[in-house]
Formats: sequence, structure tokens, C-alpha cells
Amino acid sequence: DTEVTQTPKHLVMGMTNKKSLKCEQHMGHRAMYWYKQKAKKPPELMFVYSYEKLSINESVPSRFSPECPNSSLLNLHLHALQPEDSALYLCASSQDSRAGGTYEQYFGPGTRLTVT
Amino acid sequence: AQKITQTQPGMFVQEKEAVTLDCTYDTSDQSYGLFWYKQPSSGEMIFLIYQGSYDEQNATEGRYSLNFQKARKSANLVISASQLGDSAMYFCAMREGSGGYNKLIFGAGTRLAVHP
Repeated sequence: DTEVTQTPKHLVMGMTNKKSLKCEQHMGHRAMYWYKQKAKKPPELMFVYSYEKLSINESVPSRFSPECPNSSLLNLHLHALQPEDSALYLCASSQDSRAGGTYEQYFGPGTRLTVT
Repeated sequence: AQKITQTQPGMFVQEKEAVTLDCTYDTSDQSYGLFWYKQPSSGEMIFLIYQGSYDEQNATEGRYSLNFQKARKSANLVISASQLGDSAMYFCAMREGSGGYNKLIFGAGTRLAVHP
């Protein structure tokens, strides 16, 4: 099973709201990722978790707060977002490269976020 | 710094014909990995094929093959016998990092349209 699930599929939120995006995988992957993708652009890496620890934060504003409660779950907490944060948010997971293999990332279907 | 270049913003092909999507890369690393992903309009990024820098043979996965020319730093995707369902955005990506996770650097993408 190479499935990564994301909820919700669509989210509309006001600039004063607090919401969370959820990502789940059951492939035993120990690396999980959040990407942001604007229309007609490639995905941009936001955060990387390796073994439930934050390994990379690509200078993301603090209004985005990631959380990795366990090896299968990844959350992205949103607070006081701006309209320019409207985008497709993609979650991905991959094997730990030390386990060998090609370490391809498997992506979820994404959450389309609109900030009003 | 690593860089991926896709010079074809858009391509079209007739159904059942083959098409080549170009990708060039720049890196000073000896060990690296190259990926191709497909992104339909639904948004999900679908892993297609992987080529490692030390792989002597060009990678193949069904109708997808990767024309890897290391000296020219190119990793072109060849899709044989195009199908209408191949219409999508295609991203070339390079793996950066050798830790327990891999950071992907994406090209700008090529939008492929398959005509009946």
C-alpha cells in the first residue's frame, strides 16, 4: 500500500481562524514532509520530519506550526494566515535513506486551502 | 547549489505516439538521485521513475523510461505509446541530502497535453 491520506481535501478559513491539516501514512516510512504549491509552480518544501523530529524548517513563518505525534501522523497547524497563503498543501513520506532503496517520496492528494 | 531545469513549459503529442520531456540538472555531488513525478489536475504528485547517479542502465517502468546522459547532465523522460490519461504536469526532481531523509529540488515542470 503506497497511500498517503490527507484531510480535509478543501479548506476555507478566515485570517483569524485556527485550523489544522492532517496527513497519515501506513507504509512504515520514517520521514515525512510538508510542501506548499502555488498554481502553476513546483512544490516548495516547508518542513521535514525524520523519526518524529523536525529536521528541516525552510524558514517558514510561525503562523504555520508542524507537529508529528507519531511515525504515521503529521499535522500542520494554521493560525492567523494571510490570503497569500492560499495554495495546495501536499504531504509526503519516504523511507529513511539509511534503510536503502531509492527513497522516492509518496505524496498525498493535498489540501486546497483558501484564506479569505 | 543544485538546480533542475525544464525548458519546455508545454508539450503536446498525438495519442499512441512517444514523447520526450527534457530535464537538465546541475550538481557538484558525485552521488545523487533523479526523479520524475506526474501531477494530474487533481493535484496528487505521482512517482513515475528513479535514476541513481551510479546506475549504469537507464531506468524503465512500463511505458516510462529515463534517458540518462551523465556527462551532459540530462535525465529526459520518455513516454511511449501516449494515452489520454497522460495529460498532466510533469516534474523532474533531484534528491539533495544524504541523511535519513531526502530533500527534493523540483524543476519548473512541463505540461503535457495528449491529443486524440
